[in-house]
Amino acid sequence: DVKVTQSSRYLVKRTGEKVFLECVQDMDHENMFWYRQDPGLGLRLIYFSYDVKMKEKGDIPEGYSVSREKKERFSLILESASTNQTSMYLCASSLGDRAHEQYFGPGTRLTVT
Amino acid sequence: QKEVEQDPGPLSVPEGAIVSLNCTYSNSAFQYFMWYRQYSRKGPELLMYTYSSGNKEDGRFTAQVDKSSKYISLFIRDSQPSDSATYLCAQRTLASGGYQKVTFGTGTKLQVIP
Repeated sequence: DVKVTQSSRYLVKRTGEKVFLECVQDMDHENMFWYRQDPGLGLRLIYFSYDVKMKEKGDIPEGYSVSREKKERFSLILESASTNQTSMYLCASSLGDRAHEQYFGPGTRLTVT
Repeated sequence: QKEVEQDPGPLSVPEGAIVSLNCTYSNSAFQYFMWYRQYSRKGPELLMYTYSSGNKEDGRFTAQVDKSSKYISLFIRDSQPSDSATYLCAQRTLASGGYQKVTFGTGTKLQVIP
C-alpha cells in the first residue's frame, strides 16, 4: 500500500517560531509537493521538488522554504511563523512525468498563535 | 481570472440521485484534467483523470471534458452516502521552470442524504 506520511496531524506554534513540517513517501517518487488548503481558497501550491536537492517555487512561496536532502523526504520550513500561516498543510508525491497522479498525505493542521 | 474555477456548493442530494459537478478552466494548452475526492480530515485522493476531450467512465463515475466550452464535469450515478465528500477538479499545467504541476479548483462539498 503506497504511503505518504506527515510528521504531525496537529501543531500549535507561537508567532515568530521556526516551524518544520516533514513529509515522507515510500513510493520512490521523483516529485514532491507542498500545498496549503484554506476555506474558499482551495489547495494552493507552495513549493515543489522534482529531484533531490532541487526545488521550484509554487504559487505562494513567500514566507516558506523547503529542503529535500533525500528522495523520500521533503520538508517545509516556516522561518518565522505568522498568524496568517495558520492553515492545513498537505504534502503529495508523484512520478516524474505523472504529476496528475498525486498521492497525498493526511495533512498537518497548523495553528499559529 | 482563476485558472480552474469551481462552484463551492455545498450540494445536498438524496441517495440514488445523479450528481453533476462542474468546473471551468481558462488555459487550453494543457490536456490533463483530474477529479480528486477528499473525505473530511483526510488528504485528497485521485478519483480519475482524462486526457484531452471526451468521456471516461469508472463504475458509477463519469468524467467529461468539453474543450469547446472549457468545461470539466463529473457525474455520479446512483449516489451513495459514502460519496459524501469534497470533490476537487484540477488541471495539470506547467510551472515557470517548465516542470509539471497541478492547479486545483476550490472544491465542491457534496452531501448524499440517506
